Amino acid sequence: RKEVEQDPGPFNVPEGATVAFNCTYSNSASQSFFWYRQDCRKEPKLLMSVYSSGNEDGRFTAQLNRASQYISLLIRDSKLSDSATYLCVVKRTALIFGKGTTLSVSS
Amino acid sequence: NAGVTQTPKFQVLKTGQSMTLQCAQDMNHNSMYWYRQDPGMGLRLIYYSASEGTTDKGEVPNGYNVSRLNKREFSLRLESAAPSQTSVYFCASSEAWGLMGRGQETQYFGPGTRLLVL
Repeated sequence: RKEVEQDPGPFNVPEGATVAFNCTYSNSASQSFFWYRQDCRKEPKLLMSVYSSGNEDGRFTAQLNRASQYISLLIRDSKLSDSATYLCVVKRTALIFGKGTTLSVSS
Repeated sequence: NAGVTQTPKFQVLKTGQSMTLQCAQDMNHNSMYWYRQDPGMGLRLIYYSASEGTTDKGEVPNGYNVSRLNKREFSLRLESAAPSQTSVYFCASSEAWGLMGRGQETQYFGPGTRLLVL
C-alpha cells in the first residue's frame, strides 16, 4: 500500500462547481499535512496546510481526520484558473507526496 | 528575491555521461532537498541537506551524489547517467528540517530541470 493515496482523476467540472478531493495516508506517525498545487510543467507550490480543526482559505477548505487517516480538500465556485494537479502531502520527517489529482475546470 | 533557482532547465545526456545540476536559494533557508518526479510516481526525495555541512539519503539515492557547497547552494551530480534517470528534477528549500512551527515546514521549489538520458 502506498503511504499517501489519492484518486488520480481527472476531475472535469464546469466553472462554478464544487469539487472535493480525498487522500488517505497509511502511517499514523505522520504529523503534518499539506495540499500543494502543481500547474502543468511547473513546480509544486504550497496551497495550504491542513490542521486537525479544519481550515479555510477563501474558496478552499481543508479537513483532517486523524482517526481515519484521511485528508480532504474542497474547492467551491471553481474557476478556470483552478485547473491543476493537487498533491496531498504528509510529513513525518521528510515530506511524502501523493501522486496527485488532476482537476480540469471548463467554461 | 528569486527564491529557488535551478540550472540547467533542460539537458540531454548519453548513457554514461556525467553532469551536475545546480540549485541556489536566496531565502536564507537552512534545509535543501532534491526530488525527482516521474509520470505515475509522484515526487520522490533523492537527497536532502538538513543544514549546511550535512547531507543525507532520501528514498531514491542510488546513482546520485550531492554537495552542500554553502548555505545557499546544493548540487546534484550524476556520475554515470542511465536511461532510468530520465526525469524532472526539482530542488527545494525550507527554513528547517524536522518538526517545526507552522510555516517553517513549507518547502519552496525551483522550476525544475528536465533531463533526458539516451
